[in-house]
Amino acid sequence: QKEVEQNSGPLSVPEGAIASLNCTYSDRGSQSFFWYRQYSGKSPELIMFIYSNGDKEDGRFTAQLNKASQYVSLLIRDSQPSDSATYLCAVGENTDKLIFGTGTRLQVFP
Amino acid sequence: GAVVSQHPSRVICKSGTSVKIECRSLDFQATTMFWYRQFPKQSLMLMATSNEGSKATYEQGVEKDKFLINHASLTLSTLTVTSAHPEDSSFYICSAEGAPVNTEAFFGQGTRLTVV
Repeated sequence: QKEVEQNSGPLSVPEGAIASLNCTYSDRGSQSFFWYRQYSGKSPELIMFIYSNGDKEDGRFTAQLNKASQYVSLLIRDSQPSDSATYLCAVGENTDKLIFGTGTRLQVFP
Repeated sequence: GAVVSQHPSRVICKSGTSVKIECRSLDFQATTMFWYRQFPKQSLMLMATSNEGSKATYEQGVEKDKFLINHASLTLSTLTVTSAHPEDSSFYICSAEGAPVNTEAFFGQGTRLTVV
């Protein structure tokens, strides 16, 4: 059974701080790693994807992948109240048949 | 970015009736579409994968005769929930991938189904 694990949270950070979201996965054959943001009652929206070990930065977001440790994280710098949402980690061999974690709820307070 | 339109966004139906949900890729050809279901406070669970012109591949535990999927064109896939029951009430989300943006899948807006 392939699994993707996330801490459900909530993770509370003050405005302007760095939010760190973590995800572990069980399938060593996974090649694609995605972070989605989902607001309550809405569909997920893609924030970032990463395929190679190391860091990938896009604006305030940095994804970090460590395949040896089967670990992927998302850092959000200068967190804003509008970043408050549930963040879903998704893992797959490619974009097909993604397995989603249960999500981490992030709360950014002013 | 690529746009995937899902319709309706909300539907309430009586138990025993059928409901059709449409998923359209607006600015690209979706060679593959995925249908997910999300219960409250849970993550997305893949129900089935459909490729244009062929039968859908259903995940274990998903009844193919209850959740009918049609992917007749490169821009449209439909999910029909047949003989709906209250336990089918959920958030149904489609996603689509295809040329030229085939490195990621894009989600529709989701459909909140309530069966009463």
